[in-house]
Amino acid sequence: GNSVTQMEGPVTLSEEAFLTINCTYTATGYPSLFWYVQYPGEGLQLLLKATKADDKGSNKGFEATYRKETTSFHLEKGSVQVSDSAVYFCALPLGAGNNRKLIWGLGTSLAVNP
Amino acid sequence: DAGVIQSPRHEVTEMGQEVTLRCKPISGHNSLFWYRQTMMRGLELLIYFNNNVPIDDSGMPEDRFSAKMPNASFSTLKIQPSEPRDSAVYFCASSSALSVNEQFFGPGTRLTVL
Repeated sequence: GNSVTQMEGPVTLSEEAFLTINCTYTATGYPSLFWYVQYPGEGLQLLLKATKADDKGSNKGFEATYRKETTSFHLEKGSVQVSDSAVYFCALPLGAGNNRKLIWGLGTSLAVNP
Repeated sequence: DAGVIQSPRHEVTEMGQEVTLRCKPISGHNSLFWYRQTMMRGLELLIYFNNNVPIDDSGMPEDRFSAKMPNASFSTLKIQPSEPRDSAVYFCASSSALSVNEQFFGPGTRLTVL
């Protein structure tokens, strides 16, 4: 089945700093790729997705590009805010024939200081 | 539209007691997932249903855990008897047939077993 490796945290940044959270994957074919975010005390929510190679997903100032050459889907934001403090999860479907089940990264905790 | 609803939000119980967690998925969604999240083990998929039928319960820790989905709008996760190591946040999520990998999470139930 597919797998995902996500950068370990925690990551601590000052407000307005640039953010990168690395995510690499192994997969059969070209499955959709996802970033989910979990704010303190809440459930996960979809942040952005990309459904095919070279696609760029974006939302709330965050971006991630589906790069098949490097099998990566790194999350970036040019200027983080205190409100971006959360845990970020990279995910992809388990594999063909079982694509309802997602494989999750371990999560990267981000703390943004004012 | 209401999101995924979970109850209770917090549960404190003593070892050996039965615990029942409840979930109402988003109307029209046909897949339902139960997750457990701890600091030590991260996010773990316990079981998921498709069209009310359990598809994959390989993540259920042991026979003390059971899950049911009697209809499309309700599911339960039961732990009997509960143990301190079951203390965690339990999330329910649902997804639709049109977008099977976009999972919508509930707010979670924080379970503490004393």
